[in-house]
Amino acid sequence: KAGVTQTPRYLIKTRGQQVTLSCSPISGHRSVSWYQQTPGQGLQFLFEYFSETQRNKGNFPGRFSGRQFSNSRSEMNVSTLELGDSALYLCASSADTNQPQHFGDGTRLSIL
Amino acid sequence: DAKTTQPNSMESNEEEPVHLPCNHSTISGTDYIHWYRQLPSQGPEYVIHGLTSNVNNRMASLAIAEDRKSSTLILHRATLRDAAVYYCILSNPGSARQLTFGSGTQLTVLP
Repeated sequence: KAGVTQTPRYLIKTRGQQVTLSCSPISGHRSVSWYQQTPGQGLQFLFEYFSETQRNKGNFPGRFSGRQFSNSRSEMNVSTLELGDSALYLCASSADTNQPQHFGDGTRLSIL
Repeated sequence: DAKTTQPNSMESNEEEPVHLPCNHSTISGTDYIHWYRQLPSQGPEYVIHGLTSNVNNRMASLAIAEDRKSSTLILHRATLRDAAVYYCILSNPGSARQLTFGSGTQLTVLP
């Protein structure tokens, strides 16, 4: 069974640009969550989508947004990039409530 | 969200058992205890989870105190590939997919 796939693995952008990250969940998983990981703040929850609807949202500014498609694939968008957005962005999928989350290996975003 | 407390780091010798402790004194009755680990340059990997009873799987065992205020992840025979940051997380059905990660325990396995 294929795991969670995130693309691209690495990305370099400049301040003010916008970026879209992609996540393909494990087949059959309808829940997709996004996390940001930085050395200073650790792993922080961004948002969760289930059946194309955002169910939970973390404490991030509106520049961070996402969506989920009918095939459960999800995208995350960050607009007006700032230096502090440099981080590892992780996507996780799960099958149901209280089932474990399965993480991808992330997209490493660097802002110059 | 109920918080967890873990030691910053631990060391173990290869092929010996490892007991990773976690305190969660404010755990609620509906909180599940989850363990994840993260190897360098990889996303977190699910290890095990439980509610009240001890749990075993092919990777590890989870021992939960009777009052549920603490738990211990047990790796029965540590290998070099077990060197990782181990996270103990509480998750309740209301926010099951909003995991709150702490700083975890960095496990070093010595050959």
